[in-house]
Amino acid sequence: SAVISQKPSRDICQRGTSLTIQCQVDSQVTMMFWYRQQPGQSLTLIATANQGSEATYESGFVIDKFPISRPNLTFSTLTVSNMSPEDSSIYLCSVEGTGGSLSYEQYFGPGTRLTVT
Amino acid sequence: DAKTTQPPSMDCAEGRAANLPCNHSTISGNEYVYWYRQIHSQGPQYIIHGLKNNETNEMASLIITEDRKSSTLILPHATLRDTAVYYCIVRRLYSGGGADGLTFGKGTHLIIQP
Repeated sequence: SAVISQKPSRDICQRGTSLTIQCQVDSQVTMMFWYRQQPGQSLTLIATANQGSEATYESGFVIDKFPISRPNLTFSTLTVSNMSPEDSSIYLCSVEGTGGSLSYEQYFGPGTRLTVT
Repeated sequence: DAKTTQPPSMDCAEGRAANLPCNHSTISGNEYVYWYRQIHSQGPQYIIHGLKNNETNEMASLIITEDRKSSTLILPHATLRDTAVYYCIVRRLYSGGGADGLTFGKGTHLIIQP
């Protein structure tokens, strides 16, 4: 399986500010995804981070609120913009390859716990 | 993606086999059955996936019915560390490569009793 790290692991932010979360994987992967897990809930897919092109967002999520970058095959960032208390969640990135040992098996990072006050 | 139905919680005695059911009656021909689990405060962990044949790996076995409308995840010798929320997910894979993201339901909270 891939080794995935996220920075920061947790943060407390004031409303109206923005936070950028980094996701780094130890090998090149085809697909990277970003999820949100609100308190007491299961995970919700935010977007698919595409290398070299714009991210593909799920219904209910927009680029202005959650801009995503994916400059190469091992790194992605998710920004939570103009934060409100409702954005308090755990944000997780995941990776998946379509060949070799990572074929269609999605692996998750440890998550970033965000609290907005 | 098709929806899945799982019991909200289950208990199992340590050392016994844990059998977790999942209904996915509207599954399509190109959708696979995936199982993940999430131990408290950690990211989800991949367990196993399959299309129509039964699958086994070092963690678990996946039994899919012939009509593919339901499946069972089997943890052969449950330990206390298997206490987690288990998610059954159906997911479309594309023949040319690539796949949809995962759609998580509420899952089954499996509690292993000592």
